[in-house]
Amino acid sequence: GAVVSQHPSRVICKSGTSVKIECRSLDFQATTMFWYRQFPKQSLMLMATSNEGSKATYEQGVEKDKFLINHASLTLSTLTVTSAHPEDSSFYICSASRPMDSNTEAFFGQGTRLTVV
Amino acid sequence: GNSVTQMEGPVTLSEEAFLTINCTYTATGYPSLFWYVQYPGEGLQLLLKATKADDKGSNKGFEATYRKETTSFHLEKGSVQVSDSAVYFCALSSNTGFQKLVFGTGTRLLVSP
Repeated sequence: GAVVSQHPSRVICKSGTSVKIECRSLDFQATTMFWYRQFPKQSLMLMATSNEGSKATYEQGVEKDKFLINHASLTLSTLTVTSAHPEDSSFYICSASRPMDSNTEAFFGQGTRLTVV
Repeated sequence: GNSVTQMEGPVTLSEEAFLTINCTYTATGYPSLFWYVQYPGEGLQLLLKATKADDKGSNKGFEATYRKETTSFHLEKGSVQVSDSAVYFCALSSNTGFQKLVFGTGTRLLVSP
């Protein structure tokens, strides 16, 4: 099976600082990665679609200047939460898919629990 | 828009009990339906899926049937094990692919010996 690794699994940061979360596909090349977040007692919500070599596509209501996504290679996408605030505390999880095959499952990372204090 | 509603947890069962986790959806078109499972410390893993009405997905003793008339995709297992303790997510995707998913809130299952 395909493996997606996400790092860190937990992070605590101070309000106003930035946090970077990495999502790596370990044994396949991923042209597309997806970033989700989940607030307590709510669903996992898609934040953005990350395409290798091009700008990310953000879902409605997600601030692109606050959640910076970089997909510089076929195996790595990063999500940077800039100037984090307590309301950004959430569970962030990425998924990746193989190129040119939209009818296969997405493979998920372990998720990152972000706490902003 | 598309949405998924699943029962709140936690669901607490004894080993060998019967499991049902309810999931209903709202969607336009013909979505595909999924159950994902997340074991402690791991990523979400696809458990089973169904791509059209009346399809039954099954894996590891779990089953779910795509019911278009009731817009449901309930997860069932006849005899749960302690190792089934995890968080279960119901999800759907649009008919354009399997990767862009709309999730339910997740249901935590706790199975005791």
